[in-house]
Amino acid sequence: TQMSQSPSTLSASVGDRVTITCRASENINSWLAWFQQKPGKAPRRLISKASSLESGVPSRFVGSGSGTEFTLTITNVQPEDFATYYCHQYNYYWTFGQGTRVEIK
Amino acid sequence: EIQLVESGGGMVQSGRSLRLSCTSAGFNFGECAVNWFRQAPGQGLEWVGNIRSAVYGATTEFAASVKGRFSISRDDSEGIARLDMTNVKSEDTGVYYCTASIDGYFLDYWGQGILVTVSS
Repeated sequence: TQMSQSPSTLSASVGDRVTITCRASENINSWLAWFQQKPGKAPRRLISKASSLESGVPSRFVGSGSGTEFTLTITNVQPEDFATYYCHQYNYYWTFGQGTRVEIK
Repeated sequence: EIQLVESGGGMVQSGRSLRLSCTSAGFNFGECAVNWFRQAPGQGLEWVGNIRSAVYGATTEFAASVKGRFSISRDDSEGIARLDMTNVKSEDTGVYYCTASIDGYFLDYWGQGILVTVSS
């Protein structure tokens, strides 16, 4: 299953609302996770099963979608949110999107 | 505390071998499948291979890019999985992560990653 994210880069200011889109090449039901990665660090899972927030993750991160179309929305972007985000399907084996870099405008 | 810790990385010459270890703590490692992923510099994440739990015969599978060169083993008594990399190539350079899955394809636990650099 191929995963395609857009945009590849996104410029935002603190307080903005941003949305990242992820498309799967086939139906993955809701077996989708979102990861955040900062330079030199391991990926951190934010959301699993398309919309379930991991423990300790701020509620400004919202995941939605099912089937082949998914979104990650960050409302009220905070300074610590500038990072790269990956979508990841675990419906059948494992693949990741190519990443979306959220940078400071 | 639940932990997965990778070790054994470093610089290796092209064509040589390297062994990575993934040491677990805080959970029932023997019941988990272990997957290895890697991330080339500036790139996304790629599945490398896995080893199922002993209940499923500890069978292994690999991505096409490493099949025949990499192998995975596990020692459940020690809570360790190992990734043996042979005939390494420059394209094997990257950070390698081990993960553990209790059930299905969900990657329950992640290690912090270990850097492998293949030099020519």
